[in-house]
Amino acid sequence: QSVLTQPPSVSAAPGQKVTISCSGSSSNIVSNYLSWYQQLPGTAPKLLLYEVNKRPSGTPDRVSGSKSGTSATLAITGLQTGDEADYYCGTWDTSLSAWVFGGGTRLTVL
Amino acid sequence: EVLLVQSGAEVKKSGESLKISCRGSGYSFSSFWIGWVRQMPGKGLEWMGIIYPGDSETKYSTSFQGQVTISADKSISTAYLQWSSLKASDTAIYYCARHGYCGDSGCYDIDYWGQGTLVTVSS
Repeated sequence: QSVLTQPPSVSAAPGQKVTISCSGSSSNIVSNYLSWYQQLPGTAPKLLLYEVNKRPSGTPDRVSGSKSGTSATLAITGLQTGDEADYYCGTWDTSLSAWVFGGGTRLTVL
Repeated sequence: EVLLVQSGAEVKKSGESLKISCRGSGYSFSSFWIGWVRQMPGKGLEWMGIIYPGDSETKYSTSFQGQVTISADKSISTAYLQWSSLKASDTAIYYCARHGYCGDSGCYDIDYWGQGTLVTVSS
């Protein structure tokens, strides 16, 4: 059972928009140091967004993030088959004094 | 370019010891916290703990405290994850990962990852 809750799977057609939620508590998601990671099949995770909505070099601007209260959301527009991957949110939990991940969400582009 | 390069896959038997490594390059290795993340077969990511190579201060997740040892040798820019007695349940891919910053209030985002080391433990 992960500290951060994500839907196990989401799907959408190419060109459409998808959102992935990440729900936590007052000891974790309230921090602005929340990030999202993309794990393509058979590869290591890669930083997708940091500090809620900042894109590192290489992340396209059709990827965005937001946060409200104890929930965060990853949005991807203009879906491509290459976006098929597992997505994880992560942040620091002050009660656990540890970094925590969501359980991961598998994105399928139909 | 920041790179984290991990040691190769390992196949071990239950009860054996193991130490895997992660060598950092392209940045000041001593100045960034580096940690380990476990991914069991078909499962999600689990943060195990971190070390600050500058002074070898470590922080462990309660789930992994006492189960593994994290260490580093800043002279060769390498971090390690070690088991004294492996179990079949330790079978997983282990990733090293660099945190952008860690302070009194916690750690910032993980910004770089190693390629992963597959550890297979047979009973």
